[in-house]
Order: sequence, then C-alpha cells, then structure tokens
Amino acid sequence: NAGVMQNPRHLVRRRGQEARLRCSPMKGHSHVYWYRQLPEEGLKFMVYLQKENIIDESGMPKERFSAEFPKEGPSILRIQQVVRGDSAAYFCASSPRELAEPNEQFFGPGTRLTVL
Amino acid sequence: GQQLNQSPQSMFIQEGEDVSMNCTSSSIFNTWLWYKQDPGEGPVLLIALYKAGELTSNGRLTAQFGITRKDSFLNISASIPSDVGIYFCAGQGGSEKLVFGKGTKLTVNP
Repeated sequence: NAGVMQNPRHLVRRRGQEARLRCSPMKGHSHVYWYRQLPEEGLKFMVYLQKENIIDESGMPKERFSAEFPKEGPSILRIQQVVRGDSAAYFCASSPRELAEPNEQFFGPGTRLTVL
Repeated sequence: GQQLNQSPQSMFIQEGEDVSMNCTSSSIFNTWLWYKQDPGEGPVLLIALYKAGELTSNGRLTAQFGITRKDSFLNISASIPSDVGIYFCAGQGGSEKLVFGKGTKLTVNP
C-alpha cells in the first residue's frame, strides 16, 4: 500500500510564473490536507478538502492560492504569479474519513518550491 | 491564531544521554501530538495523547499531556545517532487541522 505521493519533489519557478503541486492520497483515503512549512518553522495549515469539496480553507492566502480535489485524480495546490515569499516546503496529508484520529493522517514527503 | 511555543530550539547531546523538550500554548487542545521530521521528508507521528494527564510511551519515547491541556513534553531516553532530526509538537482542537510548534532540532554526537 503506497503512502501519500507528492510531485514534483522539487519545483523551481521564476517570479510571476504559476506553480502546480500534486498530492495523491493513500489508497482508500478521501480527505486531504495541505500545509506549508517555511524555513526553520513548523507546518502551518492551509486547506482541508474532501473529494470535490473544500471543507476548511481558513489557512489559505486570499489571493493567488487555490486548491482542488477532483472526483478523479490527485489534489492540486495552485499558486499563481509566484513571489519569493512563496518559497517553502508544501506538505499534504491524507486520511480515510472525517474526524479521523491523528494516527490515521499520513503526511507525504513534500514539494520544495523555490522562487527565483 | 493559535500558537505553540516549543523549546528548546536546538539540542546537542552525546549518544546515550536523555533528552527532554516541551510545548506550551495559550489555548486548550483536545489532542497533543509529537512528530519527527527527517531532512527532505514529511513529519512522521511518534506519539498521540488524547486525555489530560495522559502519559504514553513508545519504546524509548515518553510523552505527557499536561493537566491544563495547554502543554506537553517529550522525553527520549538513551539517545542513539538515528534520533537525529527535528521534533515537532502539534495540537488539535475542535477541528481536524493541526497547529505545529517551530520544532526542536536534535543533534546526537556518537
């Protein structure tokens, strides 16, 4: 049973370009969470999605950031017109159900975004 | 927003020594968690605590959920080189999102 997959593992973009980060949850998991980790910091919650629905986006910046989790395919975190401050590691976690216990939430290896 | 204060920021110890780190919060959490993150990887759950006062062990790791529900500590006994990494505390309140501390970077000298 493969774990949470994220790709790409490393992504380099120039200021003003778009970044697309993908997360494939564990098999049987229908809930996805995205977190951002700045250098020397802890992870900060961004958004929680179920299939085709955004449940909680209280941690998402109001502009340039969007997330989706379509019926088929991976969850996508999209950052438009990237700026240097978007450079960070972006992690997704998945769980099999609503109100899952912490030991049912598994993190992927992350995508490290560098904005030049 | 909710914040966790984790200390110390970093520790340099000799192999075989015991380690202690803690987290405090101004908010109450229903669940306290401790994660380990290796370089270039995502965090891996070590211990989850669900009740105030709970003391839980996982091998050489022991963690406690403070009585006030605003703090937790993690102890590692008889450290070994593979304990190197960054340890994060995290709290979970009424929703499923996790609030993380800034981490404790542990270095173990053989």
